Amino acid sequence: DQQVKQNSPSLSVQEGRISILNCDYTNSMFDYFLWYKKYPAEGPTFLISISSIKDKNEDGRFTVFLNKSAKHLSLHIVPSQPGDSAVYFCAATYSGGSYIPTFGRGTSLIVHP
Amino acid sequence: DSGVTQTPKHLITATGQRVTLRCSPRSGDLSVYWYQQSLDQGLQFLIQYYNGEERAKGNILERFSAQQFPDLHSELNLSSLELGDSALYFCASTWGLAGSGELFFGEGSRLTVL
Repeated sequence: DQQVKQNSPSLSVQEGRISILNCDYTNSMFDYFLWYKKYPAEGPTFLISISSIKDKNEDGRFTVFLNKSAKHLSLHIVPSQPGDSAVYFCAATYSGGSYIPTFGRGTSLIVHP
Repeated sequence: DSGVTQTPKHLITATGQRVTLRCSPRSGDLSVYWYQQSLDQGLQFLIQYYNGEERAKGNILERFSAQQFPDLHSELNLSSLELGDSALYFCASTWGLAGSGELFFGEGSRLTVL
């Protein structure tokens, strides 16, 4: 039973355009959400997060949106750059538990020059 | 460089064998996590240790075991290996008990079982 779902295995975008990566979750106990980025032959690295008390969090070109009623979050990258090409993992935790993140399967983003 | 070191980076072995994967956490981190990433699968949480004690268990098979030593490094032991155990095994660390879920990952150990 996947509690965090990334239904798009891959996404291809032109440089300079917006990349939108989506994530859905089923466990309503989750109250903190994260995005990790992974390059080949490297481990995942933390990118950006959002608490359930917010609906938006920005960090430079990266913005995460949270829609709690729909149990949906998305990561927007504007403008996309070739160096953003990586696998992006969505993850969720809950403060009443062990905070150990539950990850989705990842979306491979390719940004074409 | 996350500061988390995993060895070996690659390992090829046969079914039925046993292997040990090693992880050195970031300096000062007390908590170590093991995750498995199989083909087309997300990162599956296996087990967490905090300051030498097991703190949480995920989808870890009975054939797998782990421990954290006094110097805080951790080892993941995989025995009676099957083809389906072929995967990337990641170790991650944090200072405390995962805080907000921001983990620092190593580069992974790629296990191939033939």
